[in-house]
Amino acid sequence: NAGVTQTPKFRVLKTGQSMTLLCAQDMNHEYMYWYRQDPGMGLRLIHYSVGEGTTAKGEVPDGYNVSRLKKQNFLLGLESAAPSQTSVYFCASSILGPRDNEQFFGPGTRLTVL
Amino acid sequence: GESVGLHLPTLSVQEGDNSIINCAYSNSASDYFIWYKQESGKGPQFIIDIRSNMDKRQGQRVTVLLNKTVKHLSLQIAATQPGDSAVYFCADGRGTGKLIFGQGTTLQVKP
Repeated sequence: NAGVTQTPKFRVLKTGQSMTLLCAQDMNHEYMYWYRQDPGMGLRLIHYSVGEGTTAKGEVPDGYNVSRLKKQNFLLGLESAAPSQTSVYFCASSILGPRDNEQFFGPGTRLTVL
Repeated sequence: GESVGLHLPTLSVQEGDNSIINCAYSNSASDYFIWYKQESGKGPQFIIDIRSNMDKRQGQRVTVLLNKTVKHLSLQIAATQPGDSAVYFCADGRGTGKLIFGQGTTLQVKP
């Protein structure tokens, strides 16, 4: 199994540009999550999904949108990128919610917004 | 607001010594905690978890202690090895989809 994969690994955007980050998992997990990690800080939850076709807001959802059209994929969109969105983005998945099972993380996407 | 925090941003230990990484939380209702390890350039990796009906849980070379009275938990790593060098996060798993991470402690292992 590949586990959790993220595409792309690196990206540089100009302010106002849009992009989509793709997360894929091959473990048949119900729950998927998007986090951002800023220097010297822990991970903060952006959005999450408890199953195909569902999404919910996390701790820092503003400026992002998500979609879960297929169980194995979770997309994170930035409609109009801002320098404050420069960060490392991690996707994760788990069988059930975080209270019941560990979350498996992808390798991250490093995004720079100029 | 509610928070999860670690006591020291950096911990330096000698190879072979035991390491203790501490974490404090503020929400008395929190009842599930997880420790993650993050190596440079990688995503976090689950180490061990503990529920509030336990005071102690052991894994392979790791032990987590939970003190609900003072809202504190710790991760103990026995016989620390160079491969243990990483950033360690405690996380509060208080609700569905909502893991609240602390800021992380960087563990440096000296040869």
